[in-house]
Amino acid sequence: AQSVTQLGSHVSVSEGALVLLRCNYSSSVPPYLFWYVQYPNQGLQLLLKYTSAATLVKGINGFEAEFKKSETSFHLTKPSAHMSDAAEYFCAVSSPVGNNRLAFGKGNQVVVIP
Amino acid sequence: KAGVTQTPRYLIKTRGQQVTLSCSPISGHRSVSWYQQTPGQGLQFLFEYFSETQRNKGNFPGRFSGRQFSNSRSEMNVSTLELGDSALYLCASSPSTDFPYEQYFGPGTRLTVT
Repeated sequence: AQSVTQLGSHVSVSEGALVLLRCNYSSSVPPYLFWYVQYPNQGLQLLLKYTSAATLVKGINGFEAEFKKSETSFHLTKPSAHMSDAAEYFCAVSSPVGNNRLAFGKGNQVVVIP
Repeated sequence: KAGVTQTPRYLIKTRGQQVTLSCSPISGHRSVSWYQQTPGQGLQFLFEYFSETQRNKGNFPGRFSGRQFSNSRSEMNVSTLELGDSALYLCASSPSTDFPYEQYFGPGTRLTVT
C-alpha cells in the first residue's frame, strides 16, 4: 500500500524566510501527489497536485512543489513566509492500487515567527 | 458551486450515546469519503461511498457505520460512544471513484465525548 512520510510535526519559520516542508512517499506504481492546508477549525484545502505532467507544480498562495522520482519526494516550498501561512500542511499520495486510495502523512504544523 | 457542507459543526455527547453526522457533497459529485482526525493518529480513513454503496472501509470497529442516499448526501453514525471517539470528522467528495481520487473536503464536525 502507498504511504507518506512527513518529518517534524512542528516547523517554525521566520516571516519572510523560506518555507520548506518535506514529503517522501512510497508507492509501487507512479503516484499522484497532493498537498493540502488546514487552517484552525476548518477542513482541508487543496494547495497543489502532481499528476504526472510537469514535475514542478505551482499552487495557490505562492506555494510550489517539485516531484523527484529518484528521491521519492514531493517537498513543498514558499520563498517568503507570511503570517497567514500559519496552518497545518498535509502531504497525500494517491495510487490506483490498494484499499486506502488516498493516504495522508501526519502533517506539519507551521508556526510563523514575526 | 457550493462546497462540501457538514452538519452540525460542533457536537457534545456523553459516553454510551450515539451520534449521526451529515455531509452534503459538491453538486455532481457521487463519491463521499469520511475521515477521522485526532492529534495522536492524524487523518484516518473511515469509509467511502459511491452510488449508495460502500466501496472501501478503513480499520474502525463496527460501531462506526455510514450510508449514502440517492442524492449523494451521506451520513455516518457512531454508536455507543467512547471518550476516544472525540475527534474532528471530515467528509470529502469526489466527482468519481477513478484514479487520482482528488478530494474536496468539508469544514468538519467537531465531536466531543464526555
